[in-house]
Amino acid sequence: QVQLQESGPGLVKPSQTLSLTCIVSGGSISSGGYYWNWIRQHPGKGLEWIGYIYYSGSAYYNPSLMSRVTISVDTSKNQFSLKLNSVTAADTAVYYCARSLRTGWFDPWGQGTLVTVSS
Amino acid sequence: QSVLTQPPSVSGAPGQRVTISCTGSSSNIGAGFAVHWYQQLPGTAPKFLIYDNNNRPSGVPDRFSGSKSDTSASLAITGLQAEDEADYYCQSYDSSLSGSVFGGGTKLTVL
Repeated sequence: QVQLQESGPGLVKPSQTLSLTCIVSGGSISSGGYYWNWIRQHPGKGLEWIGYIYYSGSAYYNPSLMSRVTISVDTSKNQFSLKLNSVTAADTAVYYCARSLRTGWFDPWGQGTLVTVSS
Repeated sequence: QSVLTQPPSVSGAPGQRVTISCTGSSSNIGAGFAVHWYQQLPGTAPKFLIYDNNNRPSGVPDRFSGSKSDTSASLAITGLQAEDEADYYCQSYDSSLSGSVFGGGTKLTVL
């Protein structure tokens, strides 16, 4: 079955760019039909959808983060990535990647990776 | 401030039934978009629990059920067990945002 795994630095300095990658195994991003998402969870808080990308490269972002977010896809490596620039302490969170239909549910999820923004 | 509203906490004794509400608006649940539910145990990723309002993925016990009406939805858990103690989140699609939205989460305590 499809599995997702996040990777990237666990510590980012304020004002710098947070970069994470989600590696997909057990299925091909290029097969289409699914959207590939980033979701975050601030410590002790709820879930926040960041955005998604389709295998074609078409992406859509949460309007609250749109000015700072870029999601890209590399179908040759079967992975997709998140970049969030100009980070502050408020961006400290566990970041998850997950698969979905466009208006559907998220499944499966990656295990999540904690990113701390601190100098 | 989450787009979907859930009670912060609910509790119940083992064997009892509890419900968790999820209230939305005319741009999400009220617009006909389906509601999905997740269970999150401490330190783990959310687990897919209910999809399309009232459907259980394979492996989810039939003690868990969902319903939807107008601009709200509910998750019901019957025969409460200690292992059900977790955070529960509802999720839907919002046409104003053109993206997914979550509830703020509800912490279930099994007394």
